[in-house]
Amino acid sequence: DQQVKQNSPSLSVQEGRISILNCDYTNSMFDYFLWYKKYPAEGPTFLISISSIKDKNEDGRFTVFLNKSAKHLSLHIVPSQPGDSAVYFCAASAGGNTPLVFGKGTRLSVIA
Amino acid sequence: EAQVTQNPRYLITVTGKKLTVTCSQNMNHEYMSWYRQDPGLGLRQIYYSMNVEVTDKGDVPEGYKVSRKEKRNFPLILESPSPNQTSLYFCASSLRQLNNSPLHFGNGTRLTVT
Repeated sequence: DQQVKQNSPSLSVQEGRISILNCDYTNSMFDYFLWYKKYPAEGPTFLISISSIKDKNEDGRFTVFLNKSAKHLSLHIVPSQPGDSAVYFCAASAGGNTPLVFGKGTRLSVIA
Repeated sequence: EAQVTQNPRYLITVTGKKLTVTCSQNMNHEYMSWYRQDPGLGLRQIYYSMNVEVTDKGDVPEGYKVSRKEKRNFPLILESPSPNQTSLYFCASSLRQLNNSPLHFGNGTRLTVT
């Protein structure tokens, strides 16, 4: 059973517009959430995270929103740039020594 | 430069021929982990290690072995590779397995088993 779900395998957005990537989770023990970005031929790199005690975390063009009651989080990129084209992975942790659980990823294409 | 280094980047082998993928980090991280990435399946954890001499199974450990004799190295061993282990493999490390310690990934090893 998949605990972290990214239901959109791909997303296309025009340059300058907002990109919204969604992630749903089923495990209510998850209390920390992260987004990783992956370019071809490279490993994933950490982008932004949020603790369950918050509902929003912002870093420059990137904002992550957490809705605990809906077990849903989203990553907003504003404005989107062609360099943002990558695969984005949502990940969740139940804390302590429990491993990160990753979603399947969403491929974002930002079109100039 | 702080990094996780995997070798080799590409490997083609035949069924049953033992192989090792090396992973080394220079950040004095306690936690290290191996993942495989397959189309439509995302990143799945194979094995992880909380510290030297401490290893544990992830979600898909079958067919793999690991060792953690030194803090910086965490090799992935395939004793008898099979075609279903054809995949893209990533090693990762973090200071600790704690919420405020994001993973640092290597650049991946693409393995093909024929």
